[in-house]
Amino acid sequence: GAVVSQHPSRVICKSGTSVKIECRSLDFQATTMFWYRQFPKQSLMLMATSNEGSKATYEQGVEKDKFLINHASLTLSTLTVTSAHPEDSSFYICSATSGAYNEQFFGPGTRLTVL
Amino acid sequence: EDKVVQSPLSLVVHEGDTVTLNCSYEVTNFRSLLWYKQEKKAPTFLFMLTSSGIEKKSGRLSSILDKKELFSILNITATQTGDSAIYLCAAHTSGTYKYIFGTGTRLKVLA
Repeated sequence: GAVVSQHPSRVICKSGTSVKIECRSLDFQATTMFWYRQFPKQSLMLMATSNEGSKATYEQGVEKDKFLINHASLTLSTLTVTSAHPEDSSFYICSATSGAYNEQFFGPGTRLTVL
Repeated sequence: EDKVVQSPLSLVVHEGDTVTLNCSYEVTNFRSLLWYKQEKKAPTFLFMLTSSGIEKKSGRLSSILDKKELFSILNITATQTGDSAIYLCAAHTSGTYKYIFGTGTRLKVLA
């Protein structure tokens, strides 16, 4: 099956710093990648949809200047949480899909803790 | 507004019981309905349903979709403690390839 990796798996940072999370599709070309956020005991909340080579589409209520998404190639998308604050602490999960598979494959997630 | 709702929100059963998890959806440009199991990390794929009335089965798990009534169910028979997890359903929309997740059902199976 298709494999998606995420790095780092866990990050702890100080308030005010920026954190970059990478999402890679290892064995297929991902025309579309999704970024989700999941708070404890809650479901996945879609933050943005990212298509290779174009600007990400953000969901309502998600600040695009705070959560910078770059999808520079068919195998890599990055999410940068800028000027992170404690309320940004969450589990961030990416997923990737291509038309041929018609399903999304999830990365293992990144747990961000902002002190 | 696109919406996916799951019920119950949580469920506690004993090993050997059979459970039925519900997922209803209201989305535009519906393409398919997916079920995932989430334990400690990211969700793992269970089923994808695109046609009404055709049951998909994998071991003790099965699922079916009703596109007329806009819902799906996930059945787990002879539950085991390893089935304890959050079960998520998601509606996949065409065009944007967007996936809209439900609230999830937290299942706990007691020994």
